[in-house]
Amino acid sequence: EAGVAQSPRYKIIEKRQSVAFWCNPISGHATLYWYQQILGQGPKLLIQFQNNGVVDDSQLPKDRFSAERLKGVDSTLKIQPAKLEDSAVYLCASRYRGTSGSTDTQYFGPGTRLTVL
Amino acid sequence: LAKTTQPISMDSYEGQEVNITCSHNNIATNDYITWYQQFPSQGPRFIIQGYKTKVTNEVASLFIPADRKSSTLSLPRVSLSDTAVYYCLVVAYKYIFGTGTRLKVLA
Repeated sequence: EAGVAQSPRYKIIEKRQSVAFWCNPISGHATLYWYQQILGQGPKLLIQFQNNGVVDDSQLPKDRFSAERLKGVDSTLKIQPAKLEDSAVYLCASRYRGTSGSTDTQYFGPGTRLTVL
Repeated sequence: LAKTTQPISMDSYEGQEVNITCSHNNIATNDYITWYQQFPSQGPRFIIQGYKTKVTNEVASLFIPADRKSSTLSLPRVSLSDTAVYYCLVVAYKYIFGTGTRLKVLA
């Protein structure tokens, strides 16, 4: 079974530039997550999709971050404009159901390491 | 949402058994206890999950007492490749990661 795919693996940009990350979840997984992981910390959830609808984006800085999952499969996360504090690893994860009460687990991709100069 | 507390770091030697304890005093009835492992430059990887008593798989064992206010991840005979960060989560719906336990296995 193929895992969660993410690209690019690394990205270096200057502040105020824009950047986009792509994620392809495990086939058949309805729920997709984007996390931000700052060095030395655990992953922090940015946004959760159930199929192509947003379930939770309470921690997404909406003035600069946006995400979409148009066809309920792959997803993109965009930052525009980037700030120095956005330097982090951006992880995508997927889950078969992910609905309340389900015990299926999340599978994570390798992440994209973003450096903002 | 239940908050977890676990040691910041631990050192062990190859071949030893490592036990990492996690405290989750406010665990709810619907919460499951889940452990993830994360190596540098990789996403977290699922290790084990349980609700109560003991769960064992090919990688680890998870011990959960009757009151479920804590849990212990047991890694038998660790090797250098087990050096990683280990996260304890209590999950009913939303995954909330703490800072995890940095395990360093020494030769």
